[in-house]
Amino acid sequence: KAGVTQTPRYLIKTRGQQVTLSCSPISGHRSVSWYQQTPGQGLQFLFEYFSETQRNKGNFPGRFSGRQFSNSRSEMNVSTLELGDSALYLCASSSRATNTGELFFGEGSRLTVL
Amino acid sequence: AQKVTQAQTEISVVEKEDVTLDCVYETRDTTYYLFWYKQPPSGELVFLIRRNSFDEQNEISGRYSWNFQKSTSSFNFTITASQVVDSAVYFCALSLANQAGTALIFGKGTTLSVSS
Repeated sequence: KAGVTQTPRYLIKTRGQQVTLSCSPISGHRSVSWYQQTPGQGLQFLFEYFSETQRNKGNFPGRFSGRQFSNSRSEMNVSTLELGDSALYLCASSSRATNTGELFFGEGSRLTVL
Repeated sequence: AQKVTQAQTEISVVEKEDVTLDCVYETRDTTYYLFWYKQPPSGELVFLIRRNSFDEQNEISGRYSWNFQKSTSSFNFTITASQVVDSAVYFCALSLANQAGTALIFGKGTTLSVSS
C-alpha cells in the first residue's frame, strides 16, 4: 500500500513569491491534515480537510490556505512568502473521521525562503 | 488552552540502556487522546501509540512501554534495551475528542541518540 506522497520534496523561493505544495493521501483515506515544522516553534497544526471540507484550522495567517479535491488529494498554498515561512511542511492522512485515528505522515516538503 | 511539554530536549544513551522520555500535558477537557510519534532522519512521523483519557492501563509493545497517569498529567515512554535504530526525535501529542477533525498538539520533541 503506497504511503502518503508529498511533492515537491525540496523547494527554494524568494520573499514575496507564493508556493503550492501537494499531498496524495493513502488510498481510501479521506482526511488530510497539514503541519508546519520549524526548529523554533516545533510542529504546528495548519488545517485539516475531510471530504473536501475544511474541518479545523490552526492559528496561522490567511496567507496559508488549502483545499482538498474529490479524490482526497490536497494542496496547500502560501502567498506572499516571508523568511519565517521556511519550514518542513508535513501532510498526514487518516482513515478516520474523528480524532481517534492514527495519522500517517508523508516525508514532507522542505521550503526555504530567501 | 492545551499544551504538551517534553522537558528533555536531548538524551544520549549507550546501546542496551533503558531510557524514559517524559511527557506532561495540560487540558481542561475530560475526553482527549494522547499519542507518541517517532521521527527518523527521513522526516516522516511514525505513529507509535494512542491512548484515550479513560484508559490508564499501561501498555507494553516489545521493547516499548508507556505509562499514563492522569493524576500527574503524564504520559511517559520507556524504551528497554535501547538500540542504535531507536535514534530519532520522539514527539508526544494531544488531541481533543470534542474537536472536529484531527488536530494534534505536539510537544517540542526529545532527540534520542543511541550509540553503540
